[in-house]
Amino acid sequence: GIQVEQSPPDLILQEGANSTLRCNFSDSVNNLQWFHQNPWGQLINLFYIPSGTKQNGRLSATTVATERYSLLYISSSQTTDSGVYFCAVVAGRRALTFGSGTRLQVQP
Amino acid sequence: NAGVTQTPKFQVLKTGQSMTLQCAQDMNHEYMSWYRQDPGMGLRLIHYSVGAGITDQGEVPNGYNVSRSTTEDFPLRLLSAAPSQTSVYFCASSSSTGTYEQYFGPGTRLTVT
Repeated sequence: GIQVEQSPPDLILQEGANSTLRCNFSDSVNNLQWFHQNPWGQLINLFYIPSGTKQNGRLSATTVATERYSLLYISSSQTTDSGVYFCAVVAGRRALTFGSGTRLQVQP
Repeated sequence: NAGVTQTPKFQVLKTGQSMTLQCAQDMNHEYMSWYRQDPGMGLRLIHYSVGAGITDQGEVPNGYNVSRSTTEDFPLRLLSAAPSQTSVYFCASSSSTGTYEQYFGPGTRLTVT
């Protein structure tokens, strides 16, 4: 099946810093989503982005489908950005395959 | 719209007990699925359904049963709970037309002792 790799696995930032999270996938995809899992365990949809670039406030994402990677940018990070960021893809059937996540800690 | 709802939020079972985790969506989505998340890991697919009366196995189906009698509901049954099934369970849904974007419920935290 398709493989999804995320990097870095852990990231510690000072409040106000910028960061880039990367997701590599091993095959063509029909869907790519970025999620934020907050410290209470809730999964929050950030982006649906099988290709192209999208922005939502301080967050933006770019997927280059031909090169099989996606990037999530977080600018001016805040403590509320802490949690785990997951990339998940669909190839073929509709089930999502998740990466192992990037654990982000933003310190005040 | 309530989106995807799950009950209960928390559950403690003894080994060998059975129970049903409930999942419902009000978005008229054809596709629904169940995932489990173990500590420090991403989510893994247990079972999924592409419409009422149609279900199929995912990556980790053993010990779980599903059925889909209506478009709205997709319950997950644990037949004889084992400590290895201690996990957080998420239900998701997506439309069968247009994008493949999936929407997740809040999760059920299950502990089997």
